[in-house]
Amino acid sequence: GDSVTQMEGPVTLSEEAFLTINCTYTATGYPSLFWYVQYPGEGLQLLLKATKADDKGSNKGFEATYRKETTSFHLEKGSVQVSDSAVYFCALTLKTSYDKVIFGPGTSLSVIP
Amino acid sequence: DVKVTQSSRYLVKRTGEKVFLECVQDMDHENMFWYRQDPGLGLRLIYFSYDVKMKEKGDIPEGYSVSREKKERFSLILESASTNQTSMYLCASSFGAIGRDAFFGQGTRLTVV
Repeated sequence: GDSVTQMEGPVTLSEEAFLTINCTYTATGYPSLFWYVQYPGEGLQLLLKATKADDKGSNKGFEATYRKETTSFHLEKGSVQVSDSAVYFCALTLKTSYDKVIFGPGTSLSVIP
Repeated sequence: DVKVTQSSRYLVKRTGEKVFLECVQDMDHENMFWYRQDPGLGLRLIYFSYDVKMKEKGDIPEGYSVSREKKERFSLILESASTNQTSMYLCASSFGAIGRDAFFGQGTRLTVV
């Protein structure tokens, strides 16, 4: 069935380090892909998205490119800050009118000064 | 800004009680969703609704029911709460269009004792 796989966490980085969180998916057809972020004690909020192959989503210094050939949507940031500490979820929506969202398990990121 | 409001941030209920979790969105979204979030398991879809009075089972509907009498309100019901339903519950809504992202409430932390 349709699913999303993310790298295992938790991830701990020093401030200004480079971040990569891997995400791969399995889906019928061509889904839309998303990264959501959950800061401590809060709900999820959209970080970025891409709706077709080769699209690049970007926001707040984060980027991810929709790679159909490798079925991947890896999240990257060149220089992380303490305020980026959160849980990051890769997700997809199916090409149906319901837009059911399928989430990966989440990757916890801690950035230390 | 889109707002998805969940009626309670924290709830403590006793085993066997009937529990209602309420969710209201203010952007006329067609789709609404209930997820539960557990450590190591990520977000799992309980139920979703794509229209008033319509509902579809998600991946883990057992022990839950839902109600959508008005477009803006989607209620999750635990018919007889059990300790294994202790979790974080997240409500979300989205437009009924392909590739549109979902907006989340802040979550309800339910503890069943």
